[in-house]
Amino acid sequence: QSALTQPASVSGSPGQSITISCSGTSSDVGGYNFVSWYQQHPGKAPKLMIYEVSNRPSGVSNRFSGSKSGNTASLAISGLQPEDEADYYCSSYTSIRSYVFGTGTKVTVL
Amino acid sequence: QVQLRESGPGLVKPSETLSLTCTVSGGSITNYHWMWIRQPPGQGLQWIGFIYYTGSTSYNPSLKSRLTISVDTSKNQFSLELTSVTAADTAVYYCARHKPNSGGNDFWGQGTLVTVSS
Repeated sequence: QSALTQPASVSGSPGQSITISCSGTSSDVGGYNFVSWYQQHPGKAPKLMIYEVSNRPSGVSNRFSGSKSGNTASLAISGLQPEDEADYYCSSYTSIRSYVFGTGTKVTVL
Repeated sequence: QVQLRESGPGLVKPSETLSLTCTVSGGSITNYHWMWIRQPPGQGLQWIGFIYYTGSTSYNPSLKSRLTISVDTSKNQFSLELTSVTAADTAVYYCARHKPNSGGNDFWGQGTLVTVSS
């Protein structure tokens, strides 16, 4: 199974909004609503930010939002803050009863 | 609050077996799926596999021939064994709890670095 495709890097100034894409196929992203997003700071374990495409776990800022169209999912971060600088990974359930992660996106706050 | 902790050798020789255990505290292992995920140094996340508390498993096809994941509900633990390891298996290994019917992993261990080297 191939990794989902994400841009290597995205950047924005404080207060701005950015969007990270996650491109898959009809056998993963396009076929199921089990898409999740993780934030990972250096040396730390990933943190669940979005599950089931657009749901936020308790405690996650509403500046983070998720969506999906066809085979591509997206994570939007509004009101960018310095603490948002991290690596972000998408993940999807697949047709072979497995999971696959995205290639990862480094978010830089300018 | 649920906590997960990975344990096992930090150094494994090539061709030998990598064995890790994840101990779950603050909650029961029953009624959940439990994941293993790894991250080679400087690289992205790779899904290894999952186990349901009943013992039902699913593995990454690229690792399936070398991989066994098991669960011990009496100890609130689940484990990973990866045979015939090479340097390519060097990574930080994470265990995580799968949030039911969500596609997401809501609790993670801190991760443990396993280096494959002679």
